[in-house]
Amino acid sequence: GAGVSQTPSNKVTEKGKYVELRCDPISGHTALYWYRQSLGQGPEFLIYFQGTGAADDSGLPNDRFFAVRPEGSVSTLKIQRTERGDSAVYLCASRPGGGELFFGEGSRLTVL
Amino acid sequence: TQLLEQSPQFLSIQEGENLTVYCNSSSVFSSLQWYRQEPGEGPVLLVTVVTGGEVKKLKRLTFQFGDARKDSSLHITAAQPGDTGLYLCAGVPGDTGNQFYFGTGTSLTVIP
Repeated sequence: GAGVSQTPSNKVTEKGKYVELRCDPISGHTALYWYRQSLGQGPEFLIYFQGTGAADDSGLPNDRFFAVRPEGSVSTLKIQRTERGDSAVYLCASRPGGGELFFGEGSRLTVL
Repeated sequence: TQLLEQSPQFLSIQEGENLTVYCNSSSVFSSLQWYRQEPGEGPVLLVTVVTGGEVKKLKRLTFQFGDARKDSSLHITAAQPGDTGLYLCAGVPGDTGNQFYFGTGTSLTVIP
């Protein structure tokens, strides 16, 4: 497809489990962003990639969160030892050289 | 970290009424964007403002960037049920060109 694709769309897991969320950006977009959003709130910045490298990971809440983008395209957000407070919608966005962010539909994570 | 505060957080109005949403910060932004998000979807760009004092109009929506580039407003004239959604401002801090910080969000409901 032409848009940003995120999988899975929904993920239910148990406290303490490991989770991976995938983002497939728009082809040719060099920048990729991860945000976390709670219901009715604005997206909270987590990490931003320019190419393969993390240009800014200051939004990652703790060392249980990690993200990679090994080939400068697809990115994976990894969450270890999940906690109930990690439950949220995780949004991915990509951006060409400048201009707007193009968002995926998000991955809804529920930690029981 | 959310540098931008939006008000009001929730707004419920009758069709045909006017409304204004505010986006405020103590930080200076090189540009500011407004997005609209519907349930189950990612935010979609409405407008970008880059010059202090700039006013942009998009049909019944009027956007203004503050003179000091620290705040912005969105005014909707004669609201319609199709305007219902979560409105988000997003700013790029003055010292970076690529980091987007989102506001706290304004949830608008327009009642027919």
